[in-house]
Amino acid sequence: GNSVTQMEGPVTLSEEAFLTINCTYTATGYPSLFWYVQYPGEGLQLLLKATKADDKGSNKGFEATYRKETTSFHLEKGSVQVSDSAVYFCALSGLRGSARQLTFGSGTQLTVLP
Amino acid sequence: DTAVSQTPKYLVTQMGNDKSIKCEQNLGHDTMYWYKQDSKKFLKIMFSYNNKELIINETVPNRFSPKSPDKAHLNLHINSLELGDSAVYFCASSRVSDTQYFGPGTRLTVL
Repeated sequence: GNSVTQMEGPVTLSEEAFLTINCTYTATGYPSLFWYVQYPGEGLQLLLKATKADDKGSNKGFEATYRKETTSFHLEKGSVQVSDSAVYFCALSGLRGSARQLTFGSGTQLTVLP
Repeated sequence: DTAVSQTPKYLVTQMGNDKSIKCEQNLGHDTMYWYKQDSKKFLKIMFSYNNKELIINETVPNRFSPKSPDKAHLNLHINSLELGDSAVYFCASSRVSDTQYFGPGTRLTVL
């Protein structure tokens, strides 16, 4: 079955530091890959996505590249801000019968200190 | 102009009670989902409906029953609540094979 393995947290960085959160996946076929973010007390928001190999998703300074050869989708940001403090989830969307099903990683808590 | 809304946001109840959580989307999507997030933030799908038809039904106790009166609504009814049902429940919606958009969540606490 499909699975997503995410870098364990928590991660604590100083403002303006470089961020990498590792994500690798196991899937049959050609899944789409996503990063969702959950701010404290809120629901999940789509951060970025990539639908095929070598695609790069980007949003709000975050980037991730779909690497089929290493089955990875690592999240990066060059300079984090305090407002980026949240839980980040890597996910893949795979076919299950006639439906698309999201499989999530375990989430990585990021805290950015001023 | 909330896209995916859930009510209530918080739900505190006693063991053994029956409760419902409502979800509505105004995005015109044809597929809706329920997810459970446990205390360690792990997210797992429970159900998925497409055009009012159940298409994903994970291994969930049959005390949980989803109901979809129309394409824009997917409610979750839970009978005989147990302590282990305490979690945050998220509704989501999408067009088939497209990005899922999540509601704000309902935090259920069973005492």
